[in-house]
Amino acid sequence: AQSVAQPEDQVNVAEGNPLTVKCTYSVSGNPYLFWYVQYPNRGLQFLLKYITGDNLVKGSYGFEAEFNKSQTSFHLKKPSALVSDSALYFCAVRALYSSNTGKLIFGQGTTLQVKP
Amino acid sequence: DADVTQTPRNRITKTGKRIMLECSQTKGHDRMYWYRQDPGLGLRLIYYSFDVKDINKGEISDGYSVSRQAQAKFSLSLESAIPNQTALYFCATSDSTGGTQYFGPGTRLLVL
Repeated sequence: AQSVAQPEDQVNVAEGNPLTVKCTYSVSGNPYLFWYVQYPNRGLQFLLKYITGDNLVKGSYGFEAEFNKSQTSFHLKKPSALVSDSALYFCAVRALYSSNTGKLIFGQGTTLQVKP
Repeated sequence: DADVTQTPRNRITKTGKRIMLECSQTKGHDRMYWYRQDPGLGLRLIYYSFDVKDINKGEISDGYSVSRQAQAKFSLSLESAIPNQTALYFCATSDSTGGTQYFGPGTRLLVL
């Protein structure tokens, strides 16, 4: 069965410091991997995705994520955090070859708190 | 976000009442989805539709029904609302490749 784990409920980081939000996945076949961000009282906004190719994926707002097949991870990173990055972040996975094509499985979410 | 709209944005209802949540999209996507979000549980799929004549149950479809009135419209109904259906509900769309999903702003539902 497909699953996604975000091991940290909350990540706290000081503004200007690098940030990492962790995600690991379990899926049969090659995965599509996604990161979404949810600001208060807003819907989910797409940040970036990995389908194939370069393991380092760059996305919106200066975020990037690194696909690591051996560790089945897709951690979200940013070199220098901003207070405005404070939000709820979701990792999601879809198997490339699946009878459930198109269905995303979401992690439980990680709250990122960036302090001035 | 403006490409996917949801109405109402907030709703309070009573146990046993029927309620409908509506979703419209202008992205021209074939696929539409309904999720609910609960704290600590992430998003869980209720129903999904790959086109007007193709509707499928997700992982938590009990107590819900859907209607795909047109390519652009996908509504979610709670036939007899109960308090544990209190949640934030999201509609999403994707193209026929099933890649990136685009989400609406959500409907916050409170069932008393």
